Amino acid sequence: DTEVTQTPKHLVMGMTNKKSLKCEQHMGHRAMYWYKQKAKKPPELMFVYSYEKLSINESVPSRFSPECPNSSLLNLHLHALQPEDSALYLCASSLQGGELFFGEGSRLTVL
Amino acid sequence: KQEVTQIPAALSVPEGENLVLNCSFTDSAIYNLQWFRQDPGKGLTSLLLIQSSQREQTSGRLNASLDKSSGRSTLYIAASQPGDSATYLCAVSPDSSYKLIFGSGTRLLVRP
Repeated sequence: DTEVTQTPKHLVMGMTNKKSLKCEQHMGHRAMYWYKQKAKKPPELMFVYSYEKLSINESVPSRFSPECPNSSLLNLHLHALQPEDSALYLCASSLQGGELFFGEGSRLTVL
Repeated sequence: KQEVTQIPAALSVPEGENLVLNCSFTDSAIYNLQWFRQDPGKGLTSLLLIQSSQREQTSGRLNASLDKSSGRSTLYIAASQPGDSATYLCAVSPDSSYKLIFGSGTRLLVRP
């Protein structure tokens, strides 16, 4: 199983809403990632969790809050977002220094 | 600071043609390099991973080469098909720290 599963596929939210994006993998990978991708741009790294601990935070605004409840799950909690946060949010996982496997992404629209 | 460049930004070829996509990077001290494919509105699919000690990797009709000394990698696609139409991204890992530095991608269209 080389699959990373993301839910929901699409999300529309207002600027005062609180929502969460979810990601799951069962490949035994101990590194999990959140990326943000705008149209026609490469993905930008947001967060990395290694062995369920936050390893990298690329100076992401606090309205994005990651959580890694266990080695298979990764969440991204969203609160008080801005319209410019509308993007494709991608989850990925890997072994350390290994090949990255991405999910299909969650398309977020902030109204 | 490592920078990754992909040229051309877009490429259109007739079906059946063999083609080469280019990726260049400014710092030869890399840990590995990965090629991805992305269909519109979808996630990235890993195509090939080349470790810094390797010169090339092959998977089916795809062959990726790595020349660290010149800061270049190429992705060779043999006998292209319309289903190969997608954006191809290369990404360099400078070390084992989980960070990937992406190029801007090459948008490939294979015409029937």
